[in-house]
Amino acid sequence: QVRLQESGPGLVKPSQTLSLTCTVSGGSVSTGTYYWGWVRQPAGKGLEYIGRIYTSGINNYNPSLKSRVTVSLDTSKNHFSLKVDSVTAADTAVYYCARVDYSDSNAFDIWGQGTMVTISS
Amino acid sequence: DIVMTQSPDSLAVSPGERATINCKSSQSLLYDSNNKNYLAWYQKKPGQPPKLLMYWASTRQSGVPDRFSGGGSATDFTLTISSLQAEDVAVYYCQQYYSSVTFGQGTTVEIK
Repeated sequence: QVRLQESGPGLVKPSQTLSLTCTVSGGSVSTGTYYWGWVRQPAGKGLEYIGRIYTSGINNYNPSLKSRVTVSLDTSKNHFSLKVDSVTAADTAVYYCARVDYSDSNAFDIWGQGTMVTISS
Repeated sequence: DIVMTQSPDSLAVSPGERATINCKSSQSLLYDSNNKNYLAWYQKKPGQPPKLLMYWASTRQSGVPDRFSGGGSATDFTLTISSLQAEDVAVYYCQQYYSSVTFGQGTTVEIK
């Protein structure tokens, strides 16, 4: 059973970099027909796609966030990461990591529980 | 970018009655080479991560009750809950994966 778990600071100062990690257990981030993605949800708002990375290392990002976002893979630690630069209060949200099996559903089928990140001084 | 628009924003349905949510995309999600619609539906409850309900517009994810069904093609899609249960109270999102990923704004389903 593959499980995902987000981790990282719950509070980040404005203009700094938000960094989160998603640890994968029960499976490998470097094999299979998967990509690994990030989705966020500000309080009272809907889901917003942030970006993803394939096991090959190829990325795809939400155009509205592309200039500030990096998703990377660390196969040695079996996790993938998210960095958002120059954060503002608008980046305050619950951040989810999730998996897509693109040989099957092509949708986000496994999700982490989510981690709340607040941007405040 | 593909824009996803759901309707209504919210609906209240009596227990046991049918609930229907609509999702419209700004361009076709039907991929001609495999005749598949690149659309998924999720259920989101407070404090929980989204749960995948349907993919390829009409394929039910394993473990999802059969009162949930998805339909439609190209630009117009529906999620139907045939007999609403109390545990179905949630926000429902459609999501396209034809070109990158975008979500609809969500539809809140409540019990009347």
